Amino acid sequence: ETGVTQSPTHLIKTRGQQVTLRCSSQSGHNTVSWYQQALGQGPQFIFQYYREEENGRGNFPPRFSGLQFPNYSSELNVNALELDDSALYLCASKRGGSGGTVYQGQFFGPGTRLTVL
Amino acid sequence: DQQVKQNSPSLSVQEGRISILNCDYTNSMFDYFLWYKKYPAEGPTFLISISSIKDKNEDGRFTVFLNKSAKHLSLHIVPSQPGDSAVYFCAASAVNRDDKIIFGKGTRLHILP
Repeated sequence: ETGVTQSPTHLIKTRGQQVTLRCSSQSGHNTVSWYQQALGQGPQFIFQYYREEENGRGNFPPRFSGLQFPNYSSELNVNALELDDSALYLCASKRGGSGGTVYQGQFFGPGTRLTVL
Repeated sequence: DQQVKQNSPSLSVQEGRISILNCDYTNSMFDYFLWYKKYPAEGPTFLISISSIKDKNEDGRFTVFLNKSAKHLSLHIVPSQPGDSAVYFCAASAVNRDDKIIFGKGTRLHILP
């Protein structure tokens, strides 16, 4: 069983640029969530995708957007990068949509570390 | 507004002893609580969860206790082993609402030889 994979592992961008991060969900999982983990903080929920539709969003501005593809892989896009966007971006997958098997927890990838200069 | 709070940034415990990690929450709508473990350069790994209708859940060396009246939960690890050294995140979710997981800031556990 393949786990959650993310690419790239590290990325350096400058302020104002745009970035796309990619995630492949664990085999059999159809729901993908993205989290931002700033230094010294816990992960913060950005949004969740189920069956290619966004079905939950945290307190992040519209310049954070995403996609989910028919194979359940996902992208996180961030436009007009700001210095505060520097963080570890985590992707997590699970079976079921909203209200699904949260008690089993979500399965996280290793993350993409984004540095904005 | 921090809905899930882990007030101890770090904790050191002797190998073989019990590790107790604490967590407080403010939102009564949470119906599941979870603990995750994170090693450097890896994503968080799910450890154990508990439904809000239970007060205890045990899985091997890991036990989670929930005190709803105090809005407090704790993770007990016994006996503590060197491989338990990691950052532990307490998290909560309101499954029947928006299903997002709210994380605390984490507690770094050091198991001393």
